[in-house]
Amino acid sequence: GAVVSQHPSWVICKSGTSVKIECRSLDFQATTMFWYRQFPKQSLMLMATSNEGSKATYEQGVEKDKFLINHASLTLSTLTVTSAHPEDSSFYICSARGPGSNQPQHFGDGTRLSIL
Amino acid sequence: KQEVTQIPAALSVPEGENLVLNCSFTDSAIYNLQWFRQDPGKGLTSLLLIQSSQREQTSGRLNASLDKSSGRSTLYIAASQPGDSATYLCAVSGYNTNAGKSTFGDGTTLTVKP
Repeated sequence: GAVVSQHPSWVICKSGTSVKIECRSLDFQATTMFWYRQFPKQSLMLMATSNEGSKATYEQGVEKDKFLINHASLTLSTLTVTSAHPEDSSFYICSARGPGSNQPQHFGDGTRLSIL
Repeated sequence: KQEVTQIPAALSVPEGENLVLNCSFTDSAIYNLQWFRQDPGKGLTSLLLIQSSQREQTSGRLNASLDKSSGRSTLYIAASQPGDSATYLCAVSGYNTNAGKSTFGDGTTLTVKP
């Protein structure tokens, strides 16, 4: 089946650091990728949608200058948390989908981000 | 705006029992509905995908049904096992959102006791 690789799986860093998370589709072309944030014991909150070669579409309340998303190829999207602070600590999960809105989403294993 | 509700929020059953998880959604203009499993601290594993034109999908001990007109889906787990303990999420991908974004329910946390 379709595989999505997310890296790194765990990051601990100091406040003020910028952190980049990668999301790769290994065996299919991901025309659309989604980035989610999940707080403990809560469901997934969509942060942004990215289409290959286009600017990402951010959900209301998500700071685009804080969470930089790049989807430069059909197999790679990156999320950069700029100047991270303790309140940015969370579980970040990406998903990828092939062409067509009726296609299933395939999820990465998530990245646990802890800002000290 | 699509809203997805999952009932119950938590469920504890003895091993071997059959069980049903419920998912309801408010906007029936959907592309598909997916059921996922999430283990603590992990990402999501897709269990079943039901397209809007389908009524049900089966995989092993799992059976998911979809009644689009009433905005309901159920996930049936037969002969539950302790390894089935996890949080189960349903997600609906709809026409009325840009790029068919998915809306997730809050999940049902299942505990299967040996």
